[in-house]
Amino acid sequence: DAGVIQSPRHEVTEMGQEVTLRCKPISGHNSLFWYRQTMMRGLELLIYFNNNVPIDDSGMPEDRFSAKMPNASFSTLKIQPSEPRDSAVYFCASSRGGLANEKLFFGSGTQLSVL
Amino acid sequence: AQTVTQSQPEMSVQEAETVTLSCTYDTSESNYYLFWYKQPPSRQMILVIRQEAYKQQNATENRFSVNFQKAAKSFSLKISDSQLGDTAMYFCAFMRMNRDDKIIFGKGTRLHILP
Repeated sequence: DAGVIQSPRHEVTEMGQEVTLRCKPISGHNSLFWYRQTMMRGLELLIYFNNNVPIDDSGMPEDRFSAKMPNASFSTLKIQPSEPRDSAVYFCASSRGGLANEKLFFGSGTQLSVL
Repeated sequence: AQTVTQSQPEMSVQEAETVTLSCTYDTSESNYYLFWYKQPPSRQMILVIRQEAYKQQNATENRFSVNFQKAAKSFSLKISDSQLGDTAMYFCAFMRMNRDDKIIFGKGTRLHILP
């Protein structure tokens, strides 16, 4: 199994630009999570999906952030327009869902730098 | 709402020593999971150990063990005979049991093992 695949690994963009982060969960996993990691806040949950449906997006910072999961094998996190304070490492994670949520598999993360 | 607090942002110990990382949490739930995740410089998130709240016995995985104090809502991680490869960020995490739910992380403790 290839694991959770995120792209790009690094992204450098200018303030005001649109940024799209991509995630391919492990095949057969029903739950998908987007986390953001910063020095100040640690690892914050932004949003999670079960069976492609957003369950809890209370962690999404503001309307500039949006996430979609059009099918079981793909999800995106979009920031439009991006701001320097969005600079962070963004992780995608997946699990089989249900009681198996305790076993999260993380991707390698996307290091986002907004200049 | 559940919260997880790690009061030690950074720690350093000599190789072969024993080190304890602290974690406290707040919840009104009676059934839940607690975890410790390790994040080495590669950015990978690795599950170190897991504890079910209904179990009184502390979980152990080789050199890693926990001290779970349910009444005090404390969940510390002890690393025995520390090795250079233990250098990493360590996250304490919480998840409600019996629900298709999310994992909430603390801010992390950066651990340095010194040669």
